[in-house]
Amino acid sequence: EVQLVESGGGLVQPGGSLRLSCAASGFTFSSYEMNWVRQAPGKGLEWVSYISSSGSTIYYADSVKGRFTISRDNAKNSLYLQMNSLRAEDTAVYYCARELAVDYYYMDVWGKGTTVTVSS
Amino acid sequence: EIVLTQSPGTLSLSPGERATLSCRASQSVSSSYLAWYQQKPGQAPRLLIYGASSRATGIPDRFSGSGSGTDFTLTISRLEPEDFAVYYCQQYGRHLRWTFGQGTKVEIK
Repeated sequence: EVQLVESGGGLVQPGGSLRLSCAASGFTFSSYEMNWVRQAPGKGLEWVSYISSSGSTIYYADSVKGRFTISRDNAKNSLYLQMNSLRAEDTAVYYCARELAVDYYYMDVWGKGTTVTVSS
Repeated sequence: EIVLTQSPGTLSLSPGERATLSCRASQSVSSSYLAWYQQKPGQAPRLLIYGASSRATGIPDRFSGSGSGTDFTLTISRLEPEDFAVYYCQQYGRHLRWTFGQGTKVEIK
């Protein structure tokens, strides 16, 4: 079964750091581009970051640029998001999502999400 | 930066009725880059439609997508109880990578 499982969320104070992980199984992780998408409480979906299959190309949303770092370990079938200088507005459920980008572009597999709460 | 605007914000309908959801882009979008997702409370988004009109694996044929350029539509031909949810359109935008609409909630009337 194709699956993505996020972990690492929790309660952190403003200015603090957190590292999210996403474990992939059931598919050849190293062949796929990956993304982090977040959803603040009661709000819509917001794309956060993208990483190519090799890790050589990375993009960030302006709202997290300079504070968040995406990475992956294809040997461990894992995706990561290092979040530094966290703010209250970073409070959200964070989803990892597999991207398909050949003839069509979309995210076809999503994890269930991990919750990050930034509060003092 | 392309902005996606979904309308209406909320759609109140009864089971069995037809739902028509709109997604309007601020600039022309390739149909290949337009997707629709369904999200139920407490769940992750689920891919419904990709390439503006292609149904994802396992998606019932009561769901259909159409449109081109700046105007895209998701239609649910006959609402089932499990279809009441929030629906998002999404487009691919190279360096910004992905943009989502703000969502349309389909609620039971």
